[in-house]
Amino acid sequence: RKEVEQDPGPFNVPEGATVAFNCTYSNSASQSFFWYRQDCRKEPKLLMSVYSSGNEDGRFTAQLNRASQYISLLIRDSKLSDSATYLCVVIPYTGGFKTIFGAGTRLFVKA
Amino acid sequence: DVKVTQSSRYLVKRTGEKVFLECVQDMDHENMFWYRQDPGLGLRLIYFSYDVKMKEKGDIPEGYSVSREKKERFSLILESASTNQTSMYLCASRETSYEQYFGPGTRLTVT
Repeated sequence: RKEVEQDPGPFNVPEGATVAFNCTYSNSASQSFFWYRQDCRKEPKLLMSVYSSGNEDGRFTAQLNRASQYISLLIRDSKLSDSATYLCVVIPYTGGFKTIFGAGTRLFVKA
Repeated sequence: DVKVTQSSRYLVKRTGEKVFLECVQDMDHENMFWYRQDPGLGLRLIYFSYDVKMKEKGDIPEGYSVSREKKERFSLILESASTNQTSMYLCASRETSYEQYFGPGTRLTVT
């Protein structure tokens, strides 16, 4: 079983739609969680951290469910510019260097 | 803005050649990483370095070595390139926070 698993998609949604991605992780002791965004043929960039209480950044909301060992990303009012691959990222140990990246979920937002 | 640069965007090498991939960061970060990214597999850590001349193996170090003679520069070396090393190679750096800053990537093709 992979340490971090994501639905590869693609998710095809119209502009203005709400879309949600989940990501499951296998190590129950994992400490830190993030979503990165990767545009086609570009490098990954941090989108947002994921906090236990959930957090929001504009149209983006991230949630952590430790009991079920998954994190989620909700995008409201999708824009064409949201089309990208979204990578789930887990750091298993506090202060550690190991960073586990999911394979990514592709999103296409269409006009 | 943090800037991580990589020596080449595209590289084509022959089987058996020695290949050098260079990465430079301008933010005085202690930690630097080399990943490879393959479809469906996500980013996999090859090596990382937490200080000058210090290095640690990641998940897939076989066939690779690294060098960190200066803080800002982290080199990945393929001792004898093979076709299964055809991939996208991404360098990253980070400081004490967990956010990793990636370079633009080098797409290496080994024929």
